[in-house]
Amino acid sequence: DAMVIQNPRYQVTQFGKPVTLSCSQTLNHNVMYWYQQKSSQAPKLLFHYYDKDFNNEADTPDNFQSRRPNTSFCFLDIRSPGLGDAAMYLCATSREGTNEKLFFGSGTQLSVL
Amino acid sequence: GQNIDQPTEMTATEGAIVQINCTYQTSGFNGLFWYQQHAGEAPTFLSYNVLDGLEEKGRFSSFLSRSKGYSYLLLKELQMKDSASYLCAAHQAGQNFVFGPGTRLSVLP
Repeated sequence: DAMVIQNPRYQVTQFGKPVTLSCSQTLNHNVMYWYQQKSSQAPKLLFHYYDKDFNNEADTPDNFQSRRPNTSFCFLDIRSPGLGDAAMYLCATSREGTNEKLFFGSGTQLSVL
Repeated sequence: GQNIDQPTEMTATEGAIVQINCTYQTSGFNGLFWYQQHAGEAPTFLSYNVLDGLEEKGRFSSFLSRSKGYSYLLLKELQMKDSASYLCAAHQAGQNFVFGPGTRLSVLP
């Protein structure tokens, strides 16, 4: 089945140790998103790609970077994770358009020790 | 600015009907989505409204009033498995989705 796949499901890293989260999609959608969701809070958009065009939210910390080497793959790099970065990270895709819904991956739960 | 409000928690009884309200203020509004999210899982799509009125999909219906910046999700014949968080999200021009804080619904036997 076409889907959005995130690996790993759970990721543990140490304070200050760089970590990369992965997302792939078989939907051939041209828009990909990274959301951060902390417990009992709304998903917060970090950035999104419209094809290769990168769009960073104004309040996304510089500690967060992203790469999209091709249509199918997108990566979230956290350069120096802090305790406050522990959260669920959700990758999502959509087609371009006004009534196109988001398709979410299963998320990566990041713990920072 | 952008602001989306929902009640934090609601409780209802199995078999009942519940209405979850959402108010929004966003620029470049393109439509309103509702997602269901079970604990520890990713959100899944429930419904979408771009025009005023009611959209019905089985046990779930969603309503939108663009002039009032208001939407609701109606769940009928509640089941235990409907216990989850319900997120409303405004779709903005430029492909952004802005999520509300979510309403945690508990369905009691």
